[in-house]
Amino acid sequence: AQKVTQAQTEISVVEKEDVTLDCVYETRDTTYYLFWYKQPPSGELVFLIRRNSFDEQNEISGRYSWNFQKSTSSFNFTITASQVVDSAVYFCAHSSGNTGKLIFGQGTTLQVKP
Amino acid sequence: NAGVTQTPKFRILKIGQSMTLQCTQDMNHNYMYWYRQDPGMGLKLIYYSVGAGITDKGEVPNGYNVSRSTTEDFPLRLELAAPSQTSVYFCASSYSSGGLFYEQYFGPGTRLTVT
Repeated sequence: AQKVTQAQTEISVVEKEDVTLDCVYETRDTTYYLFWYKQPPSGELVFLIRRNSFDEQNEISGRYSWNFQKSTSSFNFTITASQVVDSAVYFCAHSSGNTGKLIFGQGTTLQVKP
Repeated sequence: NAGVTQTPKFRILKIGQSMTLQCTQDMNHNYMYWYRQDPGMGLKLIYYSVGAGITDKGEVPNGYNVSRSTTEDFPLRLELAAPSQTSVYFCASSYSSGGLFYEQYFGPGTRLTVT
């Protein structure tokens, strides 16, 4: 069965520090997708990134970067030079098969202090 | 585009009451989903639909029903509300192209309290 584990429940950093959020997934499928979503205090879910299982290239978007390693079944998310506005709950999610259903991790609450 | 809209935003129900959470998307997406988010937890799938007229159960379907008569609408029905259904409910939609699945777009959520 598919499973997503975000072992870090809460992380607290000071502004401008770098921070990495860990995500480990379990799947028996060879084709699958991985996602990161951000949930700010206002409660909405904001899509950050999607990765296909056959594309292991790392990605950078501004201060955000993602490291996808199939060998360790991990899809980690790094925020460089964190800002107070990055404070949110971050969810890693997985889907496979032909329905697009998402399996979410429990989320990591990131607090960035000024 | 409005994206995915949900109504109501907030609702308080008494035990045993019923209600329908509305969800509409204007992106012509085939796939639609209902999730619930309990405090401090990730989202769990209640029901999903791969197209008009086709629905199926997710991980936590008990106490809920859905229908999908049009591409745009995917209402979630709660029958005989129980305190365990106190949660935030999110509707989402997505699409598939060339055999690839893309990200889900989420509505703003409905905060439901059952007392």
